Amino acid sequence: NAGVMQNPRHLVRRRGQEARLRCSPMKGHSHVYWYRQLPEEGLKFMVYLQKENIIDESGMPKERFSAEFPKEGPSILRIQQVVRGDSAAYFCASSANGNQPQHFGDGTRLSIL
Amino acid sequence: GQQVMQIPQYQHVQEGEDFTTYCNSSTTLSNIQWYKQRPGGHPVFLIQLVKSGEVKKQKRLTFQFGEAKKNSSLHITATQTTDVGTYFCAGPPNSGNTPLVFGKGTRLSVIA
Repeated sequence: NAGVMQNPRHLVRRRGQEARLRCSPMKGHSHVYWYRQLPEEGLKFMVYLQKENIIDESGMPKERFSAEFPKEGPSILRIQQVVRGDSAAYFCASSANGNQPQHFGDGTRLSIL
Repeated sequence: GQQVMQIPQYQHVQEGEDFTTYCNSSTTLSNIQWYKQRPGGHPVFLIQLVKSGEVKKQKRLTFQFGEAKKNSSLHITATQTTDVGTYFCAGPPNSGNTPLVFGKGTRLSVIA
């Protein structure tokens, strides 16, 4: 399957721990986007990356959250010192360029105890 | 900043009834995209409209892009239980690097 791959599908963390969410874009795609979705709500844009560059991080909280898309390997969304309010589904999407439709992964459901 | 609004937020229909969701942007859009998210699933791209007044059909789904390129609609004829889900519209903002601004979606329930 050459689709967008996210792992893990489910992640449980205790308050104060770190959460690392991984996303491998669709083959041939170099643009990656991260979204957050609370239950029964819409998609909230977090960050847009290309290989080794952050293009737009206007939707990302200034503290505790960071994202990267290294030259080799998957894109990583990192949440430090997680709090209960970080519980959500985090979706990654990829596209061939910034104007093309986005293809989404299955998401990572993050639960904070 | 740019806002993309969708109405209604929820819609419950009997199987076989028609359904329409509307999308309105605060600014002119270069294109509009529609996505569907099944319960517990991820958003799936349905279609992209680019031209003013464009109409596209996918089986029972009809998508329209307004003449002013500020609004769009999705109409489903004779809904089926497989149509259940949340339908999102999304458009690129006029400024900044964010590729898409998503509406909050319309959640469709179909009663068999």
